[in-house]
Amino acid sequence: NAGVTQTPKFQVLKTGQSMTLQCAQDMNHNSMYWYRQDPGMGLRLIYYSASEGTTDKGEVPNGYNVSRLNKREFSLRLESAAPSQTSVYFCASSDRTGRSDTQYFGPGTRLTVL
Amino acid sequence: RKEVEQDPGPFNVPEGATVAFNCTYSNSASQSFFWYRQDCRKEPKLLMSVYSSGNEDGRFTAQLNRASQYISLLIRDSKLSDSATYLCVVPSTDSWGKLQFGAGTQVVVTP
Repeated sequence: NAGVTQTPKFQVLKTGQSMTLQCAQDMNHNSMYWYRQDPGMGLRLIYYSASEGTTDKGEVPNGYNVSRLNKREFSLRLESAAPSQTSVYFCASSDRTGRSDTQYFGPGTRLTVL
Repeated sequence: RKEVEQDPGPFNVPEGATVAFNCTYSNSASQSFFWYRQDCRKEPKLLMSVYSSGNEDGRFTAQLNRASQYISLLIRDSKLSDSATYLCVVPSTDSWGKLQFGAGTQVVVTP
């Protein structure tokens, strides 16, 4: 099992460009999440998908959109990138059965917006 | 006040020594807690779950103090490989499946 995979690993954009970050999990998890991590701050939730077909805003959704393409895949789109979106982006998934809240993370995408 | 607060450190620890650090949380209704480990430029990975008063896993012990609303993590007999940032994580009680992350405590184990 690959677990959670993310592409690309690194990306440099110019202000105003758009891009989509891809995430896929092979653990048959129902829930998927997108976070951003900035220096000195905890991971902040951008969007999440509790189950296939549903998406909800997290703590910092402005400037982002998501698509839960199927149970495996959850993509994050930046329509018009801004320097404030320079960050490391992590995708995560969880099964959320019983008391299990464990989230499994992908390796991250390091995004720089110039 | 942040929902989850941690001392950023770094905690510089000689190899073989014991180190402990705390995490405070604001939501008194929280029932479960987690410690994640994050190596430099890597993704977070679950280290321990804490559902009652505490949990022990080898050299790692997590304790929960509900009255004072803090969780501690103690590492005994520190190894060089324990050098990492330790993230305190508290599930949100108002939204299913959402987690609140602390900014992390950096531990550096030195030879």
